[in-house]
Amino acid sequence: DAGVIQSPRHEVTEMGQEVTLRCKLISGHNSLFWYRQTMMRGLELLIYFNNNVPIDDSGMPEDRFSAKMPNASFSTLKIQPSEPRDSAVYFCASRLTGVRTGELFFGEGSRLTVL
Amino acid sequence: GESVGLHLPTLSVQEGDNSIINCAYSNSASDYFIWYKQESGKGPQFIIDIRSNMDKRQGQRVTVLLNKTVKHLSLQIAATQPGDSAVYFCAETLPYGQNFVFGPGTRLSVLP
Repeated sequence: DAGVIQSPRHEVTEMGQEVTLRCKLISGHNSLFWYRQTMMRGLELLIYFNNNVPIDDSGMPEDRFSAKMPNASFSTLKIQPSEPRDSAVYFCASRLTGVRTGELFFGEGSRLTVL
Repeated sequence: GESVGLHLPTLSVQEGDNSIINCAYSNSASDYFIWYKQESGKGPQFIIDIRSNMDKRQGQRVTVLLNKTVKHLSLQIAATQPGDSAVYFCAETLPYGQNFVFGPGTRLSVLP
């Protein structure tokens, strides 16, 4: 299995531009998590889905952020418009819900820099 | 890419020595705990887990200890190797919870 796949690995954009981060889950997994990692705040959960349904989006900073799962294996995280304070590494993670192991499988992350 | 920056607690150990990384968790109701390892430019990787009905669990070269009385978790790494250099995070979750709350992390540096 190729693991959780994220793209792009690096994105540099200007303030005000739209950013779309992508994630492909591990085949067979049905839960998807988006985390953001910064020096100041560490790893923060933004949103997670079970079976394509958003369960908890309380970590989404504001209306500029949105996340979708158009199908069972793919998710996008969109920031529009982007701001410099959005600069961070964004991680996607998946797991198989119903198996109480807790193992989240993380992707390699998307490093976003907003100028 | 760096996982976290300059303000992390850092533990420096000699190669071959044992390492102990500590974590204070936040919620006394949490019943499941995990240790993750994050190398530079990579995502966190699962190391070992423990449930609240246990005090100790051992893996290959790693041991996790749980003290529920003081809400403390520790990760012991035996015979630390250069490849163990990374940032280590503890994570906790509530019963039936899906969300994992991650600690701030500790950077482990292995000295030759």
